[in-house]
Amino acid sequence: KAGVTQTPRYLIKTRGQQVTLSCSPISGHRSVSWYQQTPGQGLQFLFEYFSETQRNKGNFPGRFSGRQFSNSRSEMNVSTLELGDSALYLCASSSTSGGDTQYFGPGTRLTVL
Amino acid sequence: AQSVTQPDIHITVSEGASLELRCNYSYGATPYLFWYVQSPGQGLQLLLKYFSGDTLVQGIKGFEAEFKRSQSSFNLRKPSVHWSDAAEYFCAVGAAGSGYALNFGKGTSLLVTP
Repeated sequence: KAGVTQTPRYLIKTRGQQVTLSCSPISGHRSVSWYQQTPGQGLQFLFEYFSETQRNKGNFPGRFSGRQFSNSRSEMNVSTLELGDSALYLCASSSTSGGDTQYFGPGTRLTVL
Repeated sequence: AQSVTQPDIHITVSEGASLELRCNYSYGATPYLFWYVQSPGQGLQLLLKYFSGDTLVQGIKGFEAEFKRSQSSFNLRKPSVHWSDAAEYFCAVGAAGSGYALNFGKGTSLLVTP
C-alpha cells in the first residue's frame, strides 16, 4: 500500500496570507490527524477527523481549521498567517477507532516571512 | 496533567555500542505507547508500539522497548547501534478514549560516532 502523502512538501507564505495543506491517508484508513512540529514546542496535536467529523481538537487558535472529505482525504487551513506558524505540519492516518497506530506522512514545511 | 518526558535531549554513542533511550509518562488512563524515529527533513517512522500484553516489545531495525508500569517508563533499547541509527527519537503516548491525540515527548537526538 502507498503511504500517507502530503502536498505540497514546501510552502513559503507571507504574514497575513492563508494556506491550505492536503493529506491523503493510506488506502482504507478513515482517521486523519494533524500535528505541528516546531523546534521550540516540539510535536503538538492539532485535530483529528474520522468519517468527515472532527473528533478531537488540540489547543490551537481558531485560525487553524480542517476538514475531511468522503474519500478520507483531509485538508487543513491556516488563515491570517503569523511568523510563529512556520513549522513542519505532519499528517497521520489510522484505520479504525481509538488505540490504533498512526502512520505519518513526510510533512509539509511551511515558512512564513 | 498528562505528560511525556524524554530526559535526554542529546545522546552520543559509538557505533557497535548498546543504546537506551528513556521515556517516562504521566497518564491517568491505561496508556498506549509508541516510539517513532525521524530523520532530518522526514516524517515520523514507527519503530514499535505497546498496547497490552507482553511488556517487552520488539520493533523494526533491531529495537525493543520495555513497558514498566511501576516506573511509568517505556525505554527504548538496541544492543548494537549502527551509524544509520543517527536520528531524532520520539516517545509518544495515547490513551483509550482520547481518539488519536498522541502526546509526544520533546525527542532525543542520537549521534553515532565511528
